[in-house]
Amino acid sequence: GENVEQHPSTLSVQEGDSAVIKCTYSDSASNYFPWYKQELGKGPQLIIDIRSNVGEKKDQRIAVTLNKTAKHFSLHITETQPEDSAVYFCAARRNNNDMRFGAGTRLTVKP
Amino acid sequence: EAQVTQNPRYLITVTGKKLTVTCSQNMNHEYMSWYRQDPGLGLRQIYYSMNVEVTDKGDVPEGYKVSRKEKRNFPLILESPSPNQTSLYFCASSLSSASRGYTFGSGTRLTVV
Repeated sequence: GENVEQHPSTLSVQEGDSAVIKCTYSDSASNYFPWYKQELGKGPQLIIDIRSNVGEKKDQRIAVTLNKTAKHFSLHITETQPEDSAVYFCAARRNNNDMRFGAGTRLTVKP
Repeated sequence: EAQVTQNPRYLITVTGKKLTVTCSQNMNHEYMSWYRQDPGLGLRQIYYSMNVEVTDKGDVPEGYKVSRKEKRNFPLILESPSPNQTSLYFCASSLSSASRGYTFGSGTRLTVV
């Protein structure tokens, strides 16, 4: 089955700096890659996603890139703010139900 | 407001005492799923349901049961809880299993002593 690895497990940046979180997946048939943000005491919330026919997608300060050949995808957050502090999860979906999540990255943005 | 509602938010119970965690969504979603979240392991799927009366096992179904008698509700049942089921549980739903992303509930933190 699909295996998703996520790095780093923790990330600390200064406010205004950029943050990058990377994920790799094992199954070349995976075709949908969402990113979730989980704030303290809340459930994960979808923040951006990308399908396998697209290499990059951007939404204001966040962007996701996908390298299908290397089977990895990354989340980029620019001009980080303290409210970006949260746990971020990547996921990969192969077929309609087979969504596998990474282990999560705890991002801390220091003011 | 469109949401997935889980109850209770926190629960401490003893080994072997049956419990049910409820999940309800008000978005007329067909697909619903239960996950458990453990440190270093991310979210692992317990059970899912493609539609009413259709349920199937996820990656970690042992010790759990579910039912989907109506579209909005998808309760998670632990017939005989054990300490290794101490975890943070999330219910999620989406229009279909192929929809963009899932809407998650706020979570249920379960402790089994």
